Amino acid sequence: GENVEQHPSTLSVQEGDSAVIKCTYSDSASNYFPWYKQELGKRPQLIIDIRSNVGEKKDQRIAVTLNKTAKHFSLHITETQPEDSAVYFCAGNSGYSTLTFGKGTMLLVSP
Amino acid sequence: GAGVSQSPSNKVTEKGKDVELRCDPISGHTALYWYRQRLGQGLEFLIYFQGNSAPDKSGLPSDRFSAERTGESVSTLTIQRTQQEDSAVYLCASSLDTGGRSPLHFGNGTRLTVT
Repeated sequence: GENVEQHPSTLSVQEGDSAVIKCTYSDSASNYFPWYKQELGKRPQLIIDIRSNVGEKKDQRIAVTLNKTAKHFSLHITETQPEDSAVYFCAGNSGYSTLTFGKGTMLLVSP
Repeated sequence: GAGVSQSPSNKVTEKGKDVELRCDPISGHTALYWYRQRLGQGLEFLIYFQGNSAPDKSGLPSDRFSAERTGESVSTLTIQRTQQEDSAVYLCASSLDTGGRSPLHFGNGTRLTVT
């Protein structure tokens, strides 16, 4: 099955700085990689996703890059704001069935 | 409905009692997942229902845990003889199709506390 590793486990940045979270996956057949944001006490919500036929996708201050050869993908948040503070989870689909999640990154953005 | 609905939102039970958690997915969503999230931890996969195919039960931690789903509608997760380590938030999610190729839409979860 799929194994998704996520780093770092915690990330502290100053408001306005950029934040990068990295994930690696093991199953070369995986072709869908979503990112979820979970604010304290709330449910995870999809913020961006990427499929294996593209290398990069952007949505305003958020971007995701995918390197299929190296089997890793990254979330980039630019011009961070305090409301970006949350736990972020990456995921990859394993053997075309379930989504396997990384262990999460707690992002803290200080004003 | 507008989203995935879970009930109850909170459940406090005594050790040794059975509990049943309910999930009502988004209408038309074929796939349904159950996850467990302990305090400050990640999303632990429990079970996956994929249309009419046999469910993937590989994440169920013990035989005290079971789940059912009727067609593409409501699912129930049952925990028998609850233990304190079962205390967690149980999240249900549904997606439009199977194969892990579509976004998961999560419910607000059921917070289970076993005393």
